[in-house]
Amino acid sequence: EDQVTQSPEALRLQEGESSSLNCSYTVSGLRGLFWYRQDPGKGPEFLFTLYSAGEEKEKERLKATLTKKESFLHITAPKPEDSATYLCAVQARAGKSTFGDGTTLTVKP
Amino acid sequence: EPEVTQTPSHQVTQMGQEVILRCVPISNHLYFYWYRQILGQKVEFLVSFYNNEISEKSEIFDDQFSVERPDGSNFTLKIRSTKLEDSAMYFCASSVQGNEQYFGPGTRLTVT
Repeated sequence: EDQVTQSPEALRLQEGESSSLNCSYTVSGLRGLFWYRQDPGKGPEFLFTLYSAGEEKEKERLKATLTKKESFLHITAPKPEDSATYLCAVQARAGKSTFGDGTTLTVKP
Repeated sequence: EPEVTQTPSHQVTQMGQEVILRCVPISNHLYFYWYRQILGQKVEFLVSFYNNEISEKSEIFDDQFSVERPDGSNFTLKIRSTKLEDSAMYFCASSVQGNEQYFGPGTRLTVT
């Protein structure tokens, strides 16, 4: 059974204080690992797809990396508007994605 | 920018009633999905749909649930004989190639 564990559950940062979120996974035959952002009461918003170990993707203050067992979402110099829950999901076959519980990030001005 | 839309945004129903949740996926997408998220819990996969048939479904997606693409634009989730534990946010998503998925804003279902 595919499993995704995200840590920490919650992270509070000062504006400008860089940090990383972790996503550990076990899956039989990774088809893709996805990062999403979810604001309260909204649907997940797609951020990145990573397909193979060593791959990196960047978007503004966010950078996602992937190894064979985990992925990191690095946040550089965060701003208050980066506050959200960040979700990691893995896909082993077309159709079914398994999500983690998410990390709730709060960035204080 | 194209987006997935869902209606209604909030549905209140009585236990035992049937509900239909509606979604309009992004127009050139070929894969369609339903997920649910119980308040405070993780997003859970329900079903995926491709080429007019179910391609994957989870243990949650039992005989109480069904999906349909009645025309070229809509994708629906029907829940028969709703139970209190069906109360959740239901998200529709769509994808071009079955990988990165774009989610709608969700329908909040409240079963009383």
